[in-house]
Amino acid sequence: KAGVTQTPRYLIKTRGQQVTLSCSPISGHRSVSWYQQTPGQGLQFLFEYFSETQRNKGNFPGRFSGRQFSNSRSEMNVSTLELGDSALYLCASSAWANTNTEAFFGQGTRLTVV
Amino acid sequence: QQPVQSPQAVILREGEDAVINCSSSKALYSVHWYRQKHGEAPVFLMILLKGGEQKGHEKISASFNEKKQQSSLYLTASQLSYSGTYFCGTPRGNRDDKIIFGKGTRLHILP
Repeated sequence: KAGVTQTPRYLIKTRGQQVTLSCSPISGHRSVSWYQQTPGQGLQFLFEYFSETQRNKGNFPGRFSGRQFSNSRSEMNVSTLELGDSALYLCASSAWANTNTEAFFGQGTRLTVV
Repeated sequence: QQPVQSPQAVILREGEDAVINCSSSKALYSVHWYRQKHGEAPVFLMILLKGGEQKGHEKISASFNEKKQQSSLYLTASQLSYSGTYFCGTPRGNRDDKIIFGKGTRLHILP
């Protein structure tokens, strides 16, 4: 069974641009969560989607947005990029939105803003 | 409020034991543990649920103290493959809220 796939793996953007990251969850999984990982800050929760609806949202500015499609694939968009947005963005999928469910992480997209 | 992990980093020799702690400022309904090796995705280790049920790994154990609002991960007779960063996660609010993670504990095992 294929794991969680994130594309692209690496991305370099300049300040002010916008970027879209993609996540394909494990087949059959309906919950997709996004995290930002930076050195020393651990995994910061961005948002969670379940059955095309945003179920939870973290404390990030409105420049960060996401959506989920009917096939459970999810995209995350960051507009007006700032240098501080440079990070590893991880996507995790789980079968259900139940918090007692194991999450499977993708390899992440390494975003560098210059 | 994200859970607090301690220590931030630890270096051990192969075969030694390690304990990683995870504390929360609010009531714990569940604690999730993940390990991330360098350059790889975080991988699920176990979930501990209020009431004592534990789901997960065979060779790594953990405790869940509801009264103290903390959990500890025990790595016994550590192997080189245990190296990585360990994250604990707890529900952000009530038991059904999203899991938020601590900043991680870096574990390095020397041969």
